[in-house]
Amino acid sequence: AQTVTQSQPEMSVQEAETVTLSCTYDTSESDYYLFWYKQPPSRQMILVIRQEAYKQQNATENRFSVNFQKAAKSFSLKISDSQLGDAAMYFCAYRSNRGSQGNLIFGKGTKLSVKP
Amino acid sequence: DVKVTQSSRYLVKRTGEKVFLECVQDMDHENMFWYRQDPGLGLRLIYFSYDVKMKEKGDIPEGYSVSREKKERFSLILESASTNQTSMYLCASRPASGEDTGELFFGEGSRLTVL
Repeated sequence: AQTVTQSQPEMSVQEAETVTLSCTYDTSESDYYLFWYKQPPSRQMILVIRQEAYKQQNATENRFSVNFQKAAKSFSLKISDSQLGDAAMYFCAYRSNRGSQGNLIFGKGTKLSVKP
Repeated sequence: DVKVTQSSRYLVKRTGEKVFLECVQDMDHENMFWYRQDPGLGLRLIYFSYDVKMKEKGDIPEGYSVSREKKERFSLILESASTNQTSMYLCASRPASGEDTGELFFGEGSRLTVL
């Protein structure tokens, strides 16, 4: 069974600095998606960034980028120029692309605090 | 934009009560999901549905049931609420394959407290 591990329950970063959140996963499949979701306090969860396993290039969305190491099964999220609004729970998630009903498997989350 | 609406943000119920959590999405998505979120445990899948009147058990279905009578609506039912069902419940939806990017669209969550 696939698993997703986020080894950092909490992280803290100074405003305008850079922070990296770690995620590792375990799968025997070669075709899958990886995601980072953000859940601000008392607000809905939204997608931050998405990576397809067959793409070698790391995904980037503005200040958010990933370091996808397929052989190592690692998928870290880098947030550059951190802002107060980045404070949230961040969840790493995996989804197999085999079959049309693959469900997302989530890590336990990392709580990110941003210090002014 | 996709909108997933959960009927209640906060509920307080008593042990043994029957509880309905409603979720409606407005983007004609085939797939709908109910997750439970607990601190330190992340999100765990309770049930999902890939079509009207179809349902599949997730990882933790015990104590829950679901109903999907219409495509846009997916209800989670706690037949007899217990204190260990105190949690945040998240509804999500996703289109069918072909339009599917893998992304889930979430509602704002329903925080249930069972006394």
